[in-house]
Amino acid sequence: GNSVTQMEGPVTLSEEAFLTINCTYTATGYPSLFWYVQYPGEGLQLLLKATKADDKGSNKGFEATYRKETTSFHLEKGSVQVSDSAVYFCALTSPNTGNQFYFGTGTSLTVIP
Amino acid sequence: GAVVSQHPSWVICKSGTSVKIECRSLDFQATTMFWYRQFPKQSLMLMATSNEGSKATYEQGVEKDKFLINHASLTLSTLTVTSAHPEDSSFYICSALPGVGVFDQPQHFGDGTRLSIL
Repeated sequence: GNSVTQMEGPVTLSEEAFLTINCTYTATGYPSLFWYVQYPGEGLQLLLKATKADDKGSNKGFEATYRKETTSFHLEKGSVQVSDSAVYFCALTSPNTGNQFYFGTGTSLTVIP
Repeated sequence: GAVVSQHPSWVICKSGTSVKIECRSLDFQATTMFWYRQFPKQSLMLMATSNEGSKATYEQGVEKDKFLINHASLTLSTLTVTSAHPEDSSFYICSALPGVGVFDQPQHFGDGTRLSIL
């Protein structure tokens, strides 16, 4: 089956620290992988995506590389800001899921000045 | 581009009331829309998949008669919580998928509706 396992939070970092949020997946076929961000009281916003192995998605200083050999899609940012405080969700979809997305449990990030 | 508008953003009503939530894709056509429910500090729980012109597909454990979904056009899906009770209080989020048969496109999310039943 399809599933996403995400690093549990909450994560608290000081401003300008390095961020890694781990995400591993199980999927049949060749999934596409996504990171979404949710700010308090809002819906989800697409942060980045990768559709095939070795692709690197990047946006707003965040990066994640699709690693088929380790079935991972870890989110990284070199220097976090207070404004990055949010909940981050890893997700996958694949041709055999009928367009359904599978989300991880979410990781709450708080960045302190 | 790819904006999804969800309305209302917050609704408070008495127990027994029916509440309708709208989800519109503003600048694209969405053959498929999804409805999620999110409890505090938890992930999204898929409730149903809404396909334009056909009946919605509900996930196991979601009451079809309680959560009525209508996807009458390529840009609008509605979720009606019928005879709402306090346990239905939650954050409801819709998403829309542009295109047909393209599995690697991201879902585009509305800003969610906070439903509070007194």
